[in-house]
Amino acid sequence: SAVISQKPSRDICQRGTSLTIQCQVDSQVTMMFWYRQQPGQSLTLIATANQGSEATYESGFVIDKFPISRPNLTFSTLTVSNMSPEDSSIYLCSVVRDVHGYTFGSGTRLTVV
Amino acid sequence: GNSVTQMEGPVTLSEEAFLTINCTYTATGYPSLFWYVQYPGEGLQLLLKATKADDKGSNKGFEATYRKETTSFHLEKGSVQVSDSAVYFCALSEGDDMRFGAGTRLTVKP
Repeated sequence: SAVISQKPSRDICQRGTSLTIQCQVDSQVTMMFWYRQQPGQSLTLIATANQGSEATYESGFVIDKFPISRPNLTFSTLTVSNMSPEDSSIYLCSVVRDVHGYTFGSGTRLTVV
Repeated sequence: GNSVTQMEGPVTLSEEAFLTINCTYTATGYPSLFWYVQYPGEGLQLLLKATKADDKGSNKGFEATYRKETTSFHLEKGSVQVSDSAVYFCALSEGDDMRFGAGTRLTVKP
């Protein structure tokens, strides 16, 4: 099964700044998913990233706020831009492991102060 | 470190069959345990959770009991429906650490 390295594992950032989260997969995958889990809530899908095309964003999420790069089949980044305290969450990337399920990164815990 | 081991799928059942999806965990302390569900084309949704030993989480006919003695949190439903077809994820949270199982795909046939 695919193994995902996600970093940073946590960060504390000032409001108005940006943070880029990286996910590296140990095998080539077509689609990568980015999730957010706000405190006390379930995971929410932010966007789906395919290599070579623009990411597809879910309702409530826009590219200007969460730009995503997908330069190749093993790597993706999510940037949280112009951060506010409401962006404090856990962010996770995920890939389809095979027909049986998904693999998730270990998550990035972001605190905006 | 913390980890979650979830029953491999896929699981295929007939409508009204009994469902069990096994989940065991390894944790250094006292985690909270969750089941998430992902319906086709949608994001993950929290299905149920339990925050301490012997707690039973329940929702939409699904149940899971936090068993500290067996470090388990098995998901059960007495009578599945076609609409329950989805991928189910077991997860644990302990402090700043969150771990997910790999997911189990359930297909319910009419």
